Amino acid sequence: KAGVTQTPRYLIKTRGQQVTLSCSPISGHRSVSWYQQTPGQGLQFLFEYFSETQRNKGNFPGRFSGRQFSNSRSEMNVSTLELGDSALYLCASSLVPSGGAETQYFGPGTRLLVL
Amino acid sequence: SQQGEEDPQALSIQEGENATMNCSYKTSINNLQWYRQNSGRGLVHLILIRSNEREKHSGRLRVTLDTSKKSSSLLITASRAADTASYFCATDNAGNMLTFGGGTRLMVKP
Repeated sequence: KAGVTQTPRYLIKTRGQQVTLSCSPISGHRSVSWYQQTPGQGLQFLFEYFSETQRNKGNFPGRFSGRQFSNSRSEMNVSTLELGDSALYLCASSLVPSGGAETQYFGPGTRLLVL
Repeated sequence: SQQGEEDPQALSIQEGENATMNCSYKTSINNLQWYRQNSGRGLVHLILIRSNEREKHSGRLRVTLDTSKKSSSLLITASRAADTASYFCATDNAGNMLTFGGGTRLMVKP
C-alpha cells in the first residue's frame, strides 16, 4: 500500500501570498489530520477532517483553513502568509478517528519557507 | 501548547548501549504514542500504549506508562546508528488530535 503523500515537498513564498498544500491519505483511510512543526513551537495540531467534515481545530488563526474531498484527499490553505508560517507541515491519516486509539500514519511533510 | 515534555532534550550514546527517554504529560489520557522523526522528515509510529496498560514491547522497544505519575518512558535496547533520530511522545485529547512533546534528540555513535 502506498503511504501518505504530500505535495509539494518544498515551497517558497513571500509575505502576503497564499499557499495550498495537498495530502493524499493511505488508500482506505478516511481521517486526515494536519500538524505544523517549527523549531520554536514544536509539533502543533492544526485540524482534522473525517468524511469531508472538520472534526477538530487547533489554536490557529482563521488564515489557516482546510477541506477534505469525497475521495478523502485533503488540502490546507494559508492566506496572507507571515514569516512565522515558515514550517514543516505534516499530514497524517488513519482509518477512522477513534479518540486517539487509531495509529496515525504521517506523510513526509511540506516544507514551507516564507520570505 | 504542548501536553508532553520529553526528558532529556538530547541524548548521545554509543552503539550497543541502551537509550531511555521519558515523557511527562499534564492531563488524563486515553492513550500515549511514541513516534520517531529522522532529520525533519515525517513521523514514524513506533508504539501505542493504552491508559490501562503498564508496559508494552515491540522488538527492541519497551514502553512503560505510569498514569498515577502522568509519565511514560521509551527504552531502546542495543541501540544502532540507524536509531539516530528525534523521538516524540504524543497524547490524545479529543478525536484524533494528538498533542506532542518537545522531543528527545538521540544520537547513536558507531
